[in-house]
Order: sequence, then C-alpha cells, then structure tokens
Amino acid sequence: ETGVTQTPRHLVMGMTNKKSLKCEQHLGHNAMYWYKQSAKKPLELMFVYNFKEQTENNSVPSRFSPECPNSSHLFLHLHTLQPEDSALYLCASSQDGLEAGKSANVLTFGAGSRLTVL
Amino acid sequence: GDSVTQMEGPVTLSEEAFLTINCTYTATGYPSLFWYVQYPGEGLQLLLKATKADDKGSNKGFEATYRKETTSFHLEKGSVQVSDSAVYFCALSPLNAGGTSYGKLTFGQGTILTVHP
Repeated sequence: ETGVTQTPRHLVMGMTNKKSLKCEQHLGHNAMYWYKQSAKKPLELMFVYNFKEQTENNSVPSRFSPECPNSSHLFLHLHTLQPEDSALYLCASSQDGLEAGKSANVLTFGAGSRLTVL
Repeated sequence: GDSVTQMEGPVTLSEEAFLTINCTYTATGYPSLFWYVQYPGEGLQLLLKATKADDKGSNKGFEATYRKETTSFHLEKGSVQVSDSAVYFCALSPLNAGGTSYGKLTFGQGTILTVHP
C-alpha cells in the first residue's frame, strides 16, 4: 500500500455506460494527477489538480470528466467511452512547491484502475 | 516540448548480469530526472532521482548520473536479480517560470526487463 488508493481495480463497461474511477491519498499532498497508461506508449498526463484547482488539461476528450472535491480525493467520471479508451488509469499525488524540499516532484502512484471498454 | 527517449525493449538478462537502460531527454533549462519502476500488477514507484548536473541517484544497487553535456540519465546495475524483473520508466520534471520544479512529469515509453535464473 503506497498511500494512494484507487478503486475499482478493474472495470468493464459498454460504450453507453457512465462510471467513475476514484482515487484517495492519505499523504497530505497538495497535488493530484490522472495518467493514462496504454500498451507500448509513454504514460500520458491527463489532468493535474493543485490545491483542488485544475491546473492542467492535456487536450483530453470531454468524455473524461475529472472532479477534485478536496485535496485528498480525485475522481474521473467516464461516459460514452470508445474501445480505444481501454487502458490502465493511474492516479498519483505529490507535494509541490518550495517547501516540499527533497520530496518535491516525487510522484506517489496508486496501483491503477484497469478499464476495458466493450 | 519536453521529451524522454528510452532504449527499446524488452531486455532479457541472466541473473547477475550487468544492466544498462539508456535514457536521453530534451528539455529547456535544468529539469529534474527520475527513474520509476513498475512491478507486475502495481503502480509506478520512484527508484531514484537527480536534480542537477553531475548528480548521481542511487537505490537498491541501481545508479544513474545526470549528464547535462549528453542530455542523458542512463540506468545501471552491476548484478541483476530475478526480482528486478519489471518495467522501468525514465522521466523528467521541468522548471516553471519561477525557476522551481513542479510535479508534472514527462515519461519515456518504458523498458521491460526480464531476468532469468
């Protein structure tokens, strides 16, 4: 257990379904991230939240909708997905800023949610 | 934009062999550099990092040196074990306008390492 918990670990959904991925961190970090990991491709940064505010949206399609109600929780709402969206979705957190010291920029990842879109 | 290029895998070695996984990067200024490792069924874990030129990061017998002149951060280990079998990712974190790093990482595509007994 790394301190970042993702649920569910596995999800199968049809293209017309609506589902959500959940991420929770118990590390007191101030930034949270969603990454997409597809086979034979680099990790793709999707969204960044800093102190609950979205600071990055890497041209992600609107069928992916993030939500960050507080600095410990991050959601990824999914609707009308495509089969090519099947991937491992990784949540991460970090403590950023000058006060972070040696731990700055170090991401702590969850185990991921394996999504299959039929 | 920033980018990270890793050697193509998969890499297959026998136990106690020497390991090198090459990593080169393109970025402005002086980014921080990282190696992350992903064991089967798990998320990524930080293996080591270096924040300035000529720094050497090390952990669990792995080492990597930040080479500004060759824009490289190659991962090495003198004697690999079966338990080192995993996917290894090189990554960089850029500097923001204020001259400090922040946590938005750019990753390489990953290199699969398999170590046989």
